[in-house]
Amino acid sequence: QKEVEQDPGPLSVPEGAIVSLNCTYSNSAFQYFMWYRQYSRKGPELLMYTYSSGNKEDGRFTAQVDKSSKYISLFIRDSQPSDSATYLCAILNTGGFKTIFGAGTRLFVKA
Amino acid sequence: ETGVTQTPRHLVMGMTNKKSLKCEQHLGHNAMYWYKQSAKKPLELMFVYNFKEQTENNSVPSRFSPECPNSSHLFLHLHTLQPEDSALYLCASSQPGQDYEQYFGPGTRLTVT
Repeated sequence: QKEVEQDPGPLSVPEGAIVSLNCTYSNSAFQYFMWYRQYSRKGPELLMYTYSSGNKEDGRFTAQVDKSSKYISLFIRDSQPSDSATYLCAILNTGGFKTIFGAGTRLFVKA
Repeated sequence: ETGVTQTPRHLVMGMTNKKSLKCEQHLGHNAMYWYKQSAKKPLELMFVYNFKEQTENNSVPSRFSPECPNSSHLFLHLHTLQPEDSALYLCASSQPGQDYEQYFGPGTRLTVT
């Protein structure tokens, strides 16, 4: 079983839609949960990170962690064509220094 | 220059060549990372340096040799590569202990012929 599972997509939505991106993980020791956005021909860019459970909001983006289900989500409200990118989830255990990444979900937002 | 820069952006090399990838960060961080990103695969951590000391070598073949002369610069020396080593090589940096907040460079697209 992979440590992090992420549906590669692609996911195509119309502009203005609410987007839900998800990952599952296998090890309950993980405490930090990150979402990165990667545009074509660019390096990943950190969107936000969450420690332990709960929600975190930043503008149109909301990260959600459900540790009981080992499930993490990123919601994008009022999606824009500029949100078209690959979204990578990542996890890290407390005190560790090896971040585990998901394979990424390719998102297309159509104008 | 700001953030994390990488040179060259593209590299084509034969299997018998020797080349080096360079990474420089202008963020005042003391931890630096090399990752390999292959198509449709997760980022694979290769090496981690904290305060110039290597703290992680993720079972990387010896044909990849990292070097970290100071906290701002990171190199990846390449020799006798295989075609399956063709990938995007990404450098990242963070503050030590804050691996959850990494800043990535644009990557070097490597093609081994």
